Amino acid sequence: GAVVSQHPSWVICKSGTSVKIECRSLDFQATTMFWYRQFPKQSLMLMATSNEGSKATYEQGVEKDKFLINHASLTLSTLTVTSAHPEDSSFYICSANTYSNQPQHFGDGTRLSIL
Amino acid sequence: DAKTTQPTSMDCAEGRAANLPCNHSTISGNEYVYWYRQIHSQGPQYIIHGLKNNETNEMASLIITEDRKSSTLILPHATLRDTAVYYCIVRFNTGTASKLTFGTGTRLQVTL
Repeated sequence: GAVVSQHPSWVICKSGTSVKIECRSLDFQATTMFWYRQFPKQSLMLMATSNEGSKATYEQGVEKDKFLINHASLTLSTLTVTSAHPEDSSFYICSANTYSNQPQHFGDGTRLSIL
Repeated sequence: DAKTTQPTSMDCAEGRAANLPCNHSTISGNEYVYWYRQIHSQGPQYIIHGLKNNETNEMASLIITEDRKSSTLILPHATLRDTAVYYCIVRFNTGTASKLTFGTGTRLQVTL
C-alpha cells in the first residue's frame, strides 16, 4: 500500500534555531501533501496544504513566514519551523493522497521539542 | 466539510465487537464518511470509508444509515492492539487537494 515517510521522527533543539522536517511519498507521486500539528491530548489541526511547484495554502492563524513549506518534487515536501521557540514544540504529521478518490495516507510524525 | 459528533470514550472487552458510533447529520450528498485511528505517538491510520453502502474490509465494517446522518464502525473482534483514538471524518472526494478535518474522536480502550 501507499507509504508516506517522515524524517526525522524526533528532534530536540535550542530555542531560536530552525528545524526542517521532510515528508516523502515512497511509492507514489503526490501533487498535494498536507501538514498537521498535534498538541498533547488534542486532535490534529491542519496547518497547510503543500502544492507541488506552487505556493502552499495556509490555514487561518498559521504564520506562513514561521512555517515555511517547500514542495519541489512530486515525492517530497518539507516543513521548516523557523526561529523555533518552546511554544512550537508539538507533533508534526504529514499526509498525502495517491488519487483523488483514495484515502490520505499519513506519515508517522515528527516530535519536535524546543528547549 | 460536515461536522461529526462522536462519544469521547468507550471501553470494549478483548474478543468482543467494538461498535463506534458517529453522527454526521449535516452531511451532504457527495460527502464520504472516513474512519481513521491513531495509536499513541503515531500518525493516523486509514481504516475504511464509504458513501452510501455498507463497506467491509480486513480491518472493519462500516454501517451507514439510509439517511446517511450517522454511521457505525465495527471492529468484529477487538484486541488490545486496537486501543486507539478513532476519528470519523466526512469529506468530499474532489481531487487530491481535498482536506481532512479531524474532530476530537473516540478513545477506545480494549481491556482483558
